[in-house]
Amino acid sequence: NAGVTQTPKFQVLKTGQSMTLQCAQDMNHEYMSWYRQDPGMGLRLIHYSVGAGITDQGEVPNGYNVSRSTTEDFPLRLLSAAPSQTSVYFCASSLSGNYGYTFGSGTRLTVV
Amino acid sequence: GIQVEQSPPDLILQEGANSTLRCNFSDSVNNLQWFHQNPWGQLINLFYIPSGTKQNGRLSATTVATERYSLLYISSSQTTDSGVYFCAGRISGTYKYIFGTGTRLKVLA
Repeated sequence: NAGVTQTPKFQVLKTGQSMTLQCAQDMNHEYMSWYRQDPGMGLRLIHYSVGAGITDQGEVPNGYNVSRSTTEDFPLRLLSAAPSQTSVYFCASSLSGNYGYTFGSGTRLTVV
Repeated sequence: GIQVEQSPPDLILQEGANSTLRCNFSDSVNNLQWFHQNPWGQLINLFYIPSGTKQNGRLSATTVATERYSLLYISSSQTTDSGVYFCAGRISGTYKYIFGTGTRLKVLA
């Protein structure tokens, strides 16, 4: 039982490049979400999903896409990286919206 | 507006001291959770506490939903308690959770 697995742990991108941050959970959780954490700003919700095939926007969705083709996986795509997307990205999952979150270990992304 | 506010923003304690962290949340927020982010950045769920009181070892939490606040108590603090404590709440009628900006705790040996 690995919990929530995020890859990669670190990434450096050039402005304009695209990439996918991977998130996988093996707990059969329905609810998954992506957050970004910037210094002094807590965590802000990017996108979330309440089950396979169902996604919705959070507070800061611009510049990011998600899909949820399986219960286990919830990848986050950066379409055209910008320096403002430099951040630490966390994926979280829970059994439903009424249970506690389990977080992945994060991906530290730098856009130059 | 929709808010989750934490206080104090920073706290320094001597090892062995007790502390209380507070989370105030607006009317449209419920289903409170507390998290600890350790100095290495890992986020650990401490409590899912929409109402009432829960205890886990030296930590306990109380949420009074009718008065829109939650408290996290840390007793006999240890250096390993250092880090940032976040509370988060769910926006009513949605599945969106929003976070407070955290309380940064440093426990001195």
